[in-house]
Amino acid sequence: DAKTTQPPSMDCAEGRAANLPCNHSTISGNEYVYWYRQIHSQGPQYIIHGLKNNETNEMASLIITEDRKSSTLILPHATLRDTAVYYCIVFWYGGSNYKLTFGKGTLLTVNP
Amino acid sequence: KAGVTQTPRYLIKTRGQQVTLSCSPISGHRSVSWYQQTPGQGLQFLFEYFSETQRNKGNFPGRFSGRQFSNSRSEMNVSTLELGDSALYLCASSLDQNTQYFGPGTRLTVL
Repeated sequence: DAKTTQPPSMDCAEGRAANLPCNHSTISGNEYVYWYRQIHSQGPQYIIHGLKNNETNEMASLIITEDRKSSTLILPHATLRDTAVYYCIVFWYGGSNYKLTFGKGTLLTVNP
Repeated sequence: KAGVTQTPRYLIKTRGQQVTLSCSPISGHRSVSWYQQTPGQGLQFLFEYFSETQRNKGNFPGRFSGRQFSNSRSEMNVSTLELGDSALYLCASSLDQNTQYFGPGTRLTVL
C-alpha cells in the first residue's frame, strides 16, 4: 500500500503557482520523498526528490516540513503542459524491497 | 544522454499467446525495473534486475518473467496471455538503488 495521501484532484490557472500537497506521516528517517508525474498514457516523469531539506530544480521546488510528515511540490508558473497526474512517493534506497509504490496521485488540471 | 527506450510501443495479442517486451536503459544504468499499469490496479511493481540477476520481485504469477543481459538491456516475457494482462508495461532504469527514470511504455492489448 502507498504510504502517502494526496488529494485526488486540483485545478490551477495557467501562469500561477501550483502547490500540490502530500501527507506521509509514517515516513521513516531514511526514506526520501519523490515526486513523479504522468501525462496521459506516457511513462512517469521524474520531477524532484528530497530527504530533509527543501530542494529546487529547473522543474519545481519541494518543500518538506521539519517533522517530515508532509511535503508540497510547487510548480512556480504552471502551463497547460503541466496537466498530469502527480505522484508523491516515499522511498528508501538501501532496502531489499527496492521498488516504487505508487498511490493514486493528484490529477492537476491547468486551466487557460 | 538518451533516455530509456522500450520496444515495441504497441502490441496486440490473443489469449493464450506469449509476448516479449524489450527495454534499453539509460547508458551506464545497471538496474532495470518493470511495472504494470492498469486502470483498476494502478502502477504495480513486477521485478527488478541488476547485473543480470533478479534482485526484487513483486506479487505477480510465474507467467511473468524477465531477464537482463550483460549490456543491461532487459526483456520481460508473459506467457499464456489472459485478457487481464492488457496494460501499459513500463520499464525504469537507475544507476543502482536510486532515482528511477521511466521509459514511454509498451501498450499491450490482449484480445
